[in-house]
Amino acid sequence: DIVLTQTPLSSPVTLGQPASISCRSSQSLGHGDQNMYLSWLQQRPGQPPRLLIYQSSNRFSGVPDRFSGSGAGTDFTLKISTVEAEDVGVYYCMQVAQFPYTFGQGTELEIK
Amino acid sequence: EMQLVESGGGLVKPGGSLRLSCAASGFTVTNVWMSWVRQAPGKGLEYVGCIKSKKAGGTTDFSAPVKGRVTISTEDSKNTLYLEMNSVKIEDTGVYYCISSNIAGAFDLWGQGTTVTVSS
Repeated sequence: DIVLTQTPLSSPVTLGQPASISCRSSQSLGHGDQNMYLSWLQQRPGQPPRLLIYQSSNRFSGVPDRFSGSGAGTDFTLKISTVEAEDVGVYYCMQVAQFPYTFGQGTELEIK
Repeated sequence: EMQLVESGGGLVKPGGSLRLSCAASGFTVTNVWMSWVRQAPGKGLEYVGCIKSKKAGGTTDFSAPVKGRVTISTEDSKNTLYLEMNSVKIEDTGVYYCISSNIAGAFDLWGQGTTVTVSS
């Protein structure tokens, strides 16, 4: 199975400041079509997860442009350009490159 | 508007069985890949299984902890996805989410979840 390792596991951030989360995969998440099958999800307290980023860098419909994703192969990053109060929650990376699909451990974003 | 609504959660005794439903609206469940993910209390997300679209063969995949105990199926007339689990264990406790993958395999639409508690 593909193992996804997120760092940090907890990220205290000041409102208006940037935040960054890393996700490292045990195997390349690329396919022959050159796409990277790595997504980022946000789970706010008491809510189901929602998709933020798919195929490493594509922002999903309705997601604010302060969220961006990058990376290829085995190293991926989610960046929030300026953190807002509504961004509090847990962020997960997940891979859909290979069965069984797997998730990172989650990174808790909190406001300082 | 596309929506997923899960139901069927509740209290189940160890060794018992459960059947979860996920009613879809705004799209056809057999036209996309559908998945189940669960979340134990206070824990992270865990993939349970997936059923491919009819066009892709409609085959299923399951995670190791549930393989052999779980069936995922769809019912066209009700546009509904099902998860059936037998020989349930304490560790199957959690919120079960139904998800559709409409874009490039990504988990782009999530239901609100249904809670399963396995306890004697």
